[in-house]
Amino acid sequence: DAGVTQSPTHLIKTRGQHVTLRCSPISGHKSVSWYQQVLGQGPQFIFQYYEKEERGRGNFPDRFSARQFPNYSSELNVNALLLGDSALYLCASSLEGVGSYEQYFGPGTRLTVT
Amino acid sequence: AQSVTQPDIHITVSEGASLELRCNYSYGATPYLFWYVQSPGQGLQLLLKYFSGDTLVQGIKGFEAEFKRSQSSFNLRKPSVHWSDAAEYFCAVGPIQGAQKLVFGQGTRLTINP
Repeated sequence: DAGVTQSPTHLIKTRGQHVTLRCSPISGHKSVSWYQQVLGQGPQFIFQYYEKEERGRGNFPDRFSARQFPNYSSELNVNALLLGDSALYLCASSLEGVGSYEQYFGPGTRLTVT
Repeated sequence: AQSVTQPDIHITVSEGASLELRCNYSYGATPYLFWYVQSPGQGLQLLLKYFSGDTLVQGIKGFEAEFKRSQSSFNLRKPSVHWSDAAEYFCAVGPIQGAQKLVFGQGTRLTINP
């Protein structure tokens, strides 16, 4: 079975631009979470979506938004990019929104903002 | 607030030696605890998890971890490391505020000497 997939693998953007990152969960998984991992640090939670509804939001500015589609795939959008947004963006999927806390991570999208 | 502390930023051990990576957490209730491993440029792979029951949990790749409530610790151990174990290891706690949010430690980088 395919694991969590993310696209693109790498991305270079300029300050002020907008970026969209994509994630496809493991087949059958209905929950998708997004994390930001800055170099040298642990991942930080951005969003969780379950059944197309936002279930949790981390301490990130409104420039960050996300959505989940009927097929449970998800997009993370970041507007007005800052240099500090450079990071590895990880997507994780799990079976359900509550009661099942095993999260399976994708390989990530490496975003560089110049 | 929930938090995870991994006191050792970098550990070096010889191949074949035993390993213990430390993790301390702060959490208001019974936590769900996880250890993940991340190879360079890769996503996170779940090594093991503790939800309830037996406080000694076995994971993949020969790893185990012990939950000690009195010490708020969840240390990761392996009796004999292999060169392929060189990676970054993250301890995480959840759920947070009803969501599948995980709070991660800063990580411990493991180097293996031949």
